[in-house]
This record gives sequence, C-alpha cells and structure tokens, in this order.
Amino acid sequence: GAVVSQHPSRVICKSGTSVKIECRSLDFQATTMFWYRQFPKQSLMLMATSNEGSKATYEQGVEKDKFLINHASLTLSTLTVTSAHPEDSSFYICSASRTGVDGQPQHFGDGTRLSIL
Amino acid sequence: RKEVEQDPGPFNVPEGATVAFNCTYSNSASQSFFWYRQDCRKEPKLLMSVYSSGNEDGRFTAQLNRASQYISLLIRDSKLSDSATYLCVVLPTDSWGKLQFGAGTQVVVTP
Repeated sequence: GAVVSQHPSRVICKSGTSVKIECRSLDFQATTMFWYRQFPKQSLMLMATSNEGSKATYEQGVEKDKFLINHASLTLSTLTVTSAHPEDSSFYICSASRTGVDGQPQHFGDGTRLSIL
Repeated sequence: RKEVEQDPGPFNVPEGATVAFNCTYSNSASQSFFWYRQDCRKEPKLLMSVYSSGNEDGRFTAQLNRASQYISLLIRDSKLSDSATYLCVVLPTDSWGKLQFGAGTQVVVTP
C-alpha cells in the first residue's frame, strides 16, 4: 500500500533554532501534500497545502514566513519551522494521496514531535 | 458549528462487546468519508473508507447516511488492541484535497 515517510520523528532543540522536517511519498507521486499540527488532546489542524512546483497555500492564521514549505519534487515536501520558540512545540504531521485519483484516502507520515526548550 | 462533530467519549467497552458511535458533518457536498484510528502520540492510520451502501471490514462496519449527514462505525467483538481514538474524516467536493477532521472518539477496551 501507499506509504508516506516523515523525518525526523523527534526533535529537541533550543529556542531560536530552525528545524526542517521532510515528508516523502515512497511508492507514489503526490503533487499535493498537506501539513498539519496537533496539540495534545486536540484535533489535527491543517497548516498549509504544499503544491509541487508552486507556492504553498497557507491556512488563515499560519505565518508563511515562519513555516516555510518547499515541494521540489513529486515525492518530497519539506516544512521548515524558522526560529522556533517553545510555543511551536507540537506534533507535526504530513499527508499525501495519489496524484489524480479523486476520493483516495490520504496517508499520513509518522509525524514529528518537536520540542523547543 | 464544527464541520465534523464527534462524541469525544471515552467509550469504555468490555473486551468482546460491541461498540458503535457516530459522526455528523455539515457540508452536504462532501464526497468521500473515512474512519482513521489514532493511537496516543502517533499519526492517524486509515481504518476504512466509508461507502454509500455501507461496508464491512472484519469486525468493523461503517455506514453512511447522506440524508441525515452522518456516518457511523461499529466494532464487534472488541479487542484490547482496539483501544484508540477514532477520527471521522470527510473530504468535501472541490476542497482540493483538504480533509475535514472530527476531534475523535476515544474508545477504551477493558479486560
């Protein structure tokens, strides 16, 4: 089946550090990937839609300069949390579904647990 | 009003029993429906898609009622490993792939 890989799974770093998270679709192409954030005991919150070869689309309230997204190929999207602060600590998850197949379920990466000290 | 609403639970279920819960959605133009399960501190994993005619996958049965705009999940012969949060997920038409998530229903299966 479809597999989405996310790396790293865990990051602990000091305040002010920039952190890069990779999301790869391993056996299918994805022109669109999605980035979510989830705080404890809360629902997944969509942050942005990553579009291959073009700019990402950010949800209201999400700072595009804070959360840089690059989708350089059909199998890789990256999210960079720039100058991270403790309030950015969260569980970040990406998802993707097969390109051009309507109604297909999305598959999620393993998630990245980010802790900013 | 939230786009997808679920009873947060928890539903405490004795091992071997049956549990069922619903999810309601507000967008009548929704085209695809899914149940995902999410274990504590893990990513959501697809449990099953939900089809208009209803569908079954082993001990899990999903139903869709478009007229009333709800979907349901029934788990038979509950196992301890079924303990998780079950996310109701809806894909509206023309949403460019953006999913709408319920907050999840927690199920706790007890020995």
